[in-house]
Amino acid sequence: KAGVTQTPRYLIKTRGQQVTLSCSPISGHRSVSWYQQTPGQGLQFLFEYFSETQRNKGNFPGRFSGRQFSNSRSEMNVSTLELGDSALYLCASTLQGEHEQYFGPGTRLTVT
Amino acid sequence: QQQVKQSPQSLIVQKGGISIINCAYENTAFDYFPWYQQFPGKGPALLIAIRPDVSEKKEGRFTISFNKSAKQFSLHIMDSQPGDSATYFCAATFGGTSYGKLTFGQGTILTVHP
Repeated sequence: KAGVTQTPRYLIKTRGQQVTLSCSPISGHRSVSWYQQTPGQGLQFLFEYFSETQRNKGNFPGRFSGRQFSNSRSEMNVSTLELGDSALYLCASTLQGEHEQYFGPGTRLTVT
Repeated sequence: QQQVKQSPQSLIVQKGGISIINCAYENTAFDYFPWYQQFPGKGPALLIAIRPDVSEKKEGRFTISFNKSAKQFSLHIMDSQPGDSATYFCAATFGGTSYGKLTFGQGTILTVHP
């Protein structure tokens, strides 16, 4: 089975712009979680989607949003980018009824 | 409290030695504790996980020890190899519809010298 894929792998944006990141889960996995990884804050949970519904949400401002499609693919959007949004954004997928989360390689976002 | 505290921040071990990384949690509702290994430029990879009803779990050279009363758990890497050099994260989550939300420790950078 193919693993979790994320596109694009690298992205450079300017402050004030918005960005959309994409995540394709492992086939058959319906839960997708998103995390932000920075050297200072470590790995922080953003949100989780299951069956096209946001099921859990972390402590991030409303500029961070996401959605999930009927094929379980998920996107996250960050509007009005700030320098502090520079990070590795990771998504992970989980099989329904299981606990194991499998991560993708991440999207490296740089905000200048 | 949702925090998971991990130590040490960095660890240097000689090849063949034992690497030990510790984590402590506060939320007694946590009931699933995975460990992840991350290499530079890659996403975290699930290494091993434990539930609180088990005090120890072993998979190959990797062992998790769990102390429910102390709210602590640790990862032991036996016969450490240079290829084990990576960043290790402990994590915790709790049940129902919240398994999709992992709370991570700050990470431990492990260096294994040949």
